[in-house]
Formats: sequence, structure tokens, C-alpha cells
Amino acid sequence: GQNIDQPTEMTATEGAIVQINCTYQTSGFNGLFWYQQHAGEAPTFLSYNVLDGLEEKGRFSSFLSRSKGYSYLLLKELQMKDSASYLCAVREELIGYNKLIFGAGTRLAVHP
Amino acid sequence: GAGVSQTPSNKVTEKGKYVELRCDPISGHTALYWYRQSLGQGPEFLIYFQGTGAADDSGLPNDRFFAVRPEGSVSTLKIQRTERGDSAVYLCASSLSSGRAGNEQFFGPGTRLTVL
Repeated sequence: GQNIDQPTEMTATEGAIVQINCTYQTSGFNGLFWYQQHAGEAPTFLSYNVLDGLEEKGRFSSFLSRSKGYSYLLLKELQMKDSASYLCAVREELIGYNKLIFGAGTRLAVHP
Repeated sequence: GAGVSQTPSNKVTEKGKYVELRCDPISGHTALYWYRQSLGQGPEFLIYFQGTGAADDSGLPNDRFFAVRPEGSVSTLKIQRTERGDSAVYLCASSLSSGRAGNEQFFGPGTRLTVL
């Protein structure tokens, strides 16, 4: 079966660091994406991991452990504008193409 | 360049009516996807097009839902005999291709469908 789990809600303080975890069980695996989605807007791409380890991109970093079926998104120096939902999505490899399976998302609220 | 566009942005209809939702992908993107997103949930896959053909329509919930992409660019999602449970945001996404790992999907702003 397919299962992607992430916390429903998190809160953090402006300037702090927050880690959003994602665990997955899917039929196949060909990479993991993190998307950011502000209320009422489209998801926007943040990061992609296909090999184990940490990918850093400015204030955002993403980590993957394929053996553990685990990823996290790390947000540093939090800003108010980081208040959004963060979606973990696994790319499932199928014959001929790759399919994205999304988690339910983690709603992050950043407070002053 | 322009991103993925979707029209209308909002659609309110009555139960039993027929609706069409349009997606205009990024120019040159051969892969196009439709998703449905309910409140508090992540996007749920509906259908995937590679060029003009529907390569995977396994996510369409039932035969009231149908999608086309006749010229390999614009796509239309069609819902017949709408039901209140169809109310959701319908998202369209496109990517350069689907076969290559790492090709990100670019999402449109969505169409919010409300069935009264």
C-alpha cells in the first residue's frame, strides 16, 4: 500500500529553526519532493532528494534516508512569510512514467 | 515566461450540472497532470497525460469524470452530473517530461469548484 505521514500542524517562533518530518511506505521509490503551499495558492517546489543525505538550498534543507523511509525539511531563520502548508510527495516509479503521491501536508504557523 | 494557468478560478454550480475546467500548461511541457485537493489534504492524483494521450487515468473517481488534451497542450477536465462531494480545488500541473527523475511539476493556481 501507499502511506505518507507528516504531522498535521506545527508552530514555531520567528527566527527559530523548525524540522518537519515525513515517513513513507510506497510501492516504488524514485525520489522525494517537498512543496510549499500558502493558503489559497498553488504548491510551489522547494526541494528534491533521490539519494540519501542532506540537500541545502538557502534557508531550507531537506534530508532523505531511503532505508528508513524517512525525510525531513529543515527551515532556518524562520520568517512570518514561512507560515504555510508543507507537502511531502514521493515519486513512485511506474512503467513509463513517475507518479507523485502526496502526504496531507503540515500546516506551519510562525509567530512573532 | 507564463506559468500554468487555469480557468475559471472559481466555479459554483448546482448538483447534477455539467462543468468543464481548463488547464493551460507551460509551453513545451509534454506531461500534464490533474489533481484534486480537499480542505486540509494534499493533492490527490486524478489523471496524467503524456502528449495527447491519457497515460494513467487510475485516479479518476468514477465515470462521471473525463479529461482530454486533443492537441497535446491545453487540457479540459469534464465532470458530469456533479455531486456535492465533488466540491474541491482542482489543480493542474505540468512538467518537461515524466520519465526523468527530478523533473519537478509546476502547479497552476487551481479551480475552486463548489457544488450546491
